[in-house]
Amino acid sequence: AQSVTQPDIHITVSEGASLELRCNYSYGATPYLFWYVQSPGQGLQLLLKYFSGDTLVQGIKGFEAEFKRSQSSFNLRKPSVHWSDAAEYFCAVGPSNFGNEKLTFGTGTRLTIIP
Amino acid sequence: DAGITQSPRHKVTETGTPVTLRCHQTENHRYMYWYRQDPGHGLRLIHYSYGVKDTDKGEVSDGYSVSRSKTEDFLLTLESATSSQTSVYFCAISGGTGSNTGELFFGEGSRLTVL
Repeated sequence: AQSVTQPDIHITVSEGASLELRCNYSYGATPYLFWYVQSPGQGLQLLLKYFSGDTLVQGIKGFEAEFKRSQSSFNLRKPSVHWSDAAEYFCAVGPSNFGNEKLTFGTGTRLTIIP
Repeated sequence: DAGITQSPRHKVTETGTPVTLRCHQTENHRYMYWYRQDPGHGLRLIHYSYGVKDTDKGEVSDGYSVSRSKTEDFLLTLESATSSQTSVYFCAISGGTGSNTGELFFGEGSRLTVL
């Protein structure tokens, strides 16, 4: 069965500092991978996705993520965070021949930004 | 932003009472989903629909039923609410015309408290 692990429940970084949020997945074949962001009181919004090809994918709001098959990881990065990046971030994995009903979400990482 | 409206946004009810949450979309997307979000669990799929009157169970469907009589509306019903169903419920849609990106568009959530 597929699964997603986000090891960090809560991360605090200073505004302007770099950010890396970890995501590890378990899946038997090439997965489809996603990062979603949830601002307080809001629904989730897609940041970026990986289906195939270049393992470094760019998303909205200056985020990027790198797919590393050997490490079963899909970590999210941003070189310089802004106060507006404070939110909860969810990694998700799905099979390559899926419908969205097969998506599995991680438990989320809450990001706090300090001035 | 995708046109997704959830109602009610907040509800407090008592154990044993029936509750219906409504999701309304103006995007003519084929697929609609109900998730629940709980601390430490991320998002878990309750039920989903792949067309009018076509629905199926998700990961945590016990105690819930759904109906979809029109493309734009997807109802989630708790026949007899229990305290374990206290949660934030999210509706999501996908599968618009020409779209097969795996991207989900989420509503803003409905917070349900069962006393």
